[in-house]
Amino acid sequence: DGGITQSPKYLFRKEGQNVTLSCEQNLNHDAMYWYRQDPGQGLRLIYYSQIVNDFQKGDIAEGYSVSREKKESFPLTVTSAQKNPTAFYLCASSIAGTGANEQYFGPGTRLTVT
Amino acid sequence: GQQLNQSPQSMFIQEGEDVSMNCTSSSIFNTWLWYKQDPGEGPVLLIALYKAGELTSNGRLTAQFGITRKDSFLNISASIPSDVGIYFCAGRYYNAGNMLTFGGGTRLMVKP
Repeated sequence: DGGITQSPKYLFRKEGQNVTLSCEQNLNHDAMYWYRQDPGQGLRLIYYSQIVNDFQKGDIAEGYSVSREKKESFPLTVTSAQKNPTAFYLCASSIAGTGANEQYFGPGTRLTVT
Repeated sequence: GQQLNQSPQSMFIQEGEDVSMNCTSSSIFNTWLWYKQDPGEGPVLLIALYKAGELTSNGRLTAQFGITRKDSFLNISASIPSDVGIYFCAGRYYNAGNMLTFGGGTRLMVKP
């Protein structure tokens, strides 16, 4: 089955620790995205990548880092510099290009930092 | 960045009722998308709209791309309990590449 997987579903970390969230897709999409969702809120873009080995900051990139070494994978690291990391994190992918607008989402990872 | 105002923020539904929600933008959008999110899950794409005036259905769901290109509407007919969830609109601003701007969501709940 084609789709996007995120792991783990739930993640718990102590304050001050970096943590990496996994996102893998087998849809053969060039573009991948990371969003953050807080309770009762919409989605805010953290980082996006249009092609392997290239990525750009979104609206709330501070305290996060990403890599795009493979087309299928776009891991997100939440660093200790992120002041309020507890949130629901969503990964998405799409075909690239201006005519490609439909983003498909993974099931999300809920990160709790205490 | 671009702003999308989605309303209502929440609403209660009774089984069998029709439901309407909408999104408005301060700028012209080239694409409107509607997603549904169940609790603890990722959003699922329901309908995509690409042309002003376009009216598209997906089962009991119907969405329209507003003529002004600054708004979109989603209607759910004869609602059922599994319609409960959060509905998000998303739009692509004309020079935003394939970046989407999301509305704040409409939460549908069942009337007690």
